[in-house]
Amino acid sequence: SQQGEEDPQALSIQEGENATMNCSYKTSINNLQWYRQNSGRGLVHLILIRSNEREKHSGRLRVTLDTSKKSSSLLITASRAADTASYFCATDVNYKLTFGKGTLLTVNP
Amino acid sequence: DTAVSQTPKYLVTQMGNDKSIKCEQNLGHDTMYWYKQDSKKFLKIMFSYNNKELIINETVPNRFSPKSPDKAHLNLHINSLELGDSAVYFCASRLGLYNEQFFGPGTRLTVL
Repeated sequence: SQQGEEDPQALSIQEGENATMNCSYKTSINNLQWYRQNSGRGLVHLILIRSNEREKHSGRLRVTLDTSKKSSSLLITASRAADTASYFCATDVNYKLTFGKGTLLTVNP
Repeated sequence: DTAVSQTPKYLVTQMGNDKSIKCEQNLGHDTMYWYKQDSKKFLKIMFSYNNKELIINETVPNRFSPKSPDKAHLNLHINSLELGDSAVYFCASRLGLYNEQFFGPGTRLTVL
């Protein structure tokens, strides 16, 4: 069964703007991960945040985790056209990653 | 150097045929996965092996059979292919059971 749900399903912004994607889930997790998928390619891991962490940064990416609300957010700052891709959250439970349906981000030059 | 590789990249075949997809990782990981991504981009786990032992076996038709000859390889054999098997199949690997996963480029299977 599906665990993570991303919101919005699609997001279109201008280069230089920030993009925020949200993820909600239903059960307790070991960690939550964000992945990017460019059209026709495999998934690329972005950030892993463990259940006892609240915030993590990696370059222009910032991820937050609120286990009380069972939600996470991914912020991409100063977006670039090359950030255009689908972004997935995945919850890690019982050795298994369960992916949401993804957010399609389009960054217009 | 390719970290997780899959062959073939594209597979077009007739209904009823049997086909295999191969996956290899050179990352020294001990856990490998097969996922199926449908036309709506929904990614669903199928199988997982840890140190050559099957640890995840989702509700998948028994026409699908994984095989892990060693920790670096995980193959997927599909018997009696059906139209609904058309999808992109991804292999992935990770070190241990709760770290980031590394994905292969995918195998696009089309059943005619």
